[in-house]
Formats: sequence, structure tokens, C-alpha cells
Amino acid sequence: DTGVSQNPRHKITKRGQNVTFRCDPISEHNRLYWYRQTLGQGPEFLTYFQNEAQLEKSRLLSDRFSAERPKGSFSTLEIQRTEQGDSAMYLCASSLGLAGNQQTQYFGPGTRLLVL
Amino acid sequence: GEDVEQSLFLSVREGDSSVINCTYTDSSSTYLYWYKQEPGAGLQLLTYIFSNMDMKQDQRLTVLLNKKDKHLSLRIADTQTGDSAIYFCAEQDSGGYQKVTFGTGTKLQVIP
Repeated sequence: DTGVSQNPRHKITKRGQNVTFRCDPISEHNRLYWYRQTLGQGPEFLTYFQNEAQLEKSRLLSDRFSAERPKGSFSTLEIQRTEQGDSAMYLCASSLGLAGNQQTQYFGPGTRLLVL
Repeated sequence: GEDVEQSLFLSVREGDSSVINCTYTDSSSTYLYWYKQEPGAGLQLLTYIFSNMDMKQDQRLTVLLNKKDKHLSLRIADTQTGDSAIYFCAEQDSGGYQKVTFGTGTKLQVIP
């Protein structure tokens, strides 16, 4: 399977704990995106990487959230001191990233986080 | 800022056609997308249309774009129970990191 993969698929944690999610994009894709989706809503943009550089961050990404893509391949999203409001589906997407070309984003299956 | 709106719910009988509508506000959108999301799953790309096109057909799917009215629709012919899902319309910016803005999704219920 050469699609976008995410781990874990589900995470239950207690308020105040730290969690980390991983995303493996499609191998030749340079761009990687993180989104958050709450119940009854569409995905909301969190942050974007071009290779290893984090080029854009949403106002939704508070200072408790940090994302990395150290070698320009997989990415991690860490949430520190989780709050109940962080409960959501966290989606990762990737795209080719070639200038001037259509940039369809392909999504992974998501990590569903529940903060108790 | 960009805004994408969809009706929340659509119910159709198996075998009928479904039409899901979407309106968007960003006139500089280059591509418009339809994604499908089944319960507990990620988003599956169904189809997309470039902003200089009026129509795109792909098997049972027909996308119509009215750029003047900023209106996009997805028609599913011969709707099947397996088409039951949430359908998201999304528009993509032309500049920057080509941000994609999603609608709230339309839940399609197919009645056998």
C-alpha cells in the first residue's frame, strides 16, 4: 500500500498527558499537511511542510502543539498537556509539491484522539 | 477569508441520482474537489475540477461548476447503498501553499 499512513489509529489519554502522532506520506510527495477534524465539521488546516521546512501554521496550532518533519519524509505531531477540547480526528495529507502543477492532497486514515 | 458551504443532509433511494451542492467564496480558486468520508475513516478523493472547466464526468460521477455563481455540484448516478457517506466539497487557493478549505460536509443516506 503506497498511500498515506498514520499511527496510531486511535488514542485515548488522560487530560494533561502528552501524545504524539506519526504520519508517513506517499513516498515521492514533498508537501505534508496536518488537519484537525471535529465531529460534524470538515477538516481544518493546522500546519504545512515543504520537505523538512514548516512553512505555515494556523492560529489553531497553540503553543502546546508542535510538528516536525526532520528528514523531509515522515512527520510527527505532538500535543503537550492535552485538554478535553483537543479530542478530534487528526488527519495528515500529502501532495507532490511540484511548482505550477495541480496539488491534490491525499489523506491518511487519521488518528482519533479522545482526551478524558 | 475563504468559506465553503454545503447542505448538511441528503436522503435518496437506491438507484436514484443524488445531487450534492456546494457554494464557495474565493474567486481565485484554481481547483475544486469532492472527497468522500466513511465513518471512522480518512478522506477519499473522488474527483476534482479545474476552475476553467464547466463539467467533468467520471463514470457515475458528474461535477458541474458555475464559476460566476461560485456553485459546485456533484451528481452521483444510480446511487448505491455503498455511496452512503459524508461528502466534502473543498476549494484550493492559487497562491502560497495552495491552501485547501473544506465545507462542513453533506451526509448522504441511501435508502434501500
